Amino acid sequence: SAVISQKPSRDICQRGTSLTIQCQVDSQVTMMFWYRQQPGQSLTLIATANQGSEATYESGFVIDKFPISRPNLTFSTLTVSNMSPEDSSIYLCSVGGSAYEQYFGPGTRLTVT
Amino acid sequence: KNEVEQSPQNLTAQEGEFITINCSYSVGISALHWLQQHPGGGIVSLFMLSSGKKKHGRLIATINIQEKHSSLHITASHPRDSAVYICAVQNTGTASKLTFGTGTRLQVTL
Repeated sequence: SAVISQKPSRDICQRGTSLTIQCQVDSQVTMMFWYRQQPGQSLTLIATANQGSEATYESGFVIDKFPISRPNLTFSTLTVSNMSPEDSSIYLCSVGGSAYEQYFGPGTRLTVT
Repeated sequence: KNEVEQSPQNLTAQEGEFITINCSYSVGISALHWLQQHPGGGIVSLFMLSSGKKKHGRLIATINIQEKHSSLHITASHPRDSAVYICAVQNTGTASKLTFGTGTRLQVTL
């Protein structure tokens, strides 16, 4: 199994600012995933982050808005840039394990005012 | 039509009741996950299935690959089971990427 921590757990930010969310895993993993969950909605994949390469973004998400870093096999960051109230969501990172297993972080609850 | 459909969307039960949540999907999958999300937002993986049935404590998950359908059952439900239950599938060939259902909000009352 993998244990994932995220920082911050929650934040309230002003419109137009940026927030960087950190995701730390207790073991080395190849693929890390960043998801967004808007209020009342299900999870939507933002991007897949592999160590040593550019993140792969899903339709509707762009690097300028959600830059991702993956400096090593246990850590990744997601930045939410130039925030607007529509960015208020829970942001989760997850990692894949062996045989299709998935592990999720505790989430970062972001409110943009 | 969403690739993953869950029913019901909302469910209220009394303590002790047997609960069933259903998930139907329309794509070929490598695996199906049942997840639990508590009000704080964190997600716990309950089951990962590719065939048959799994049991963990009071929770049972089944999958019928031919019918593209899975069920999550909770026996002897308890207020601490109150949470959102999410079905998610790993499409064949998408390397761990998940597609999520919209979730079932369960409230178990005394």
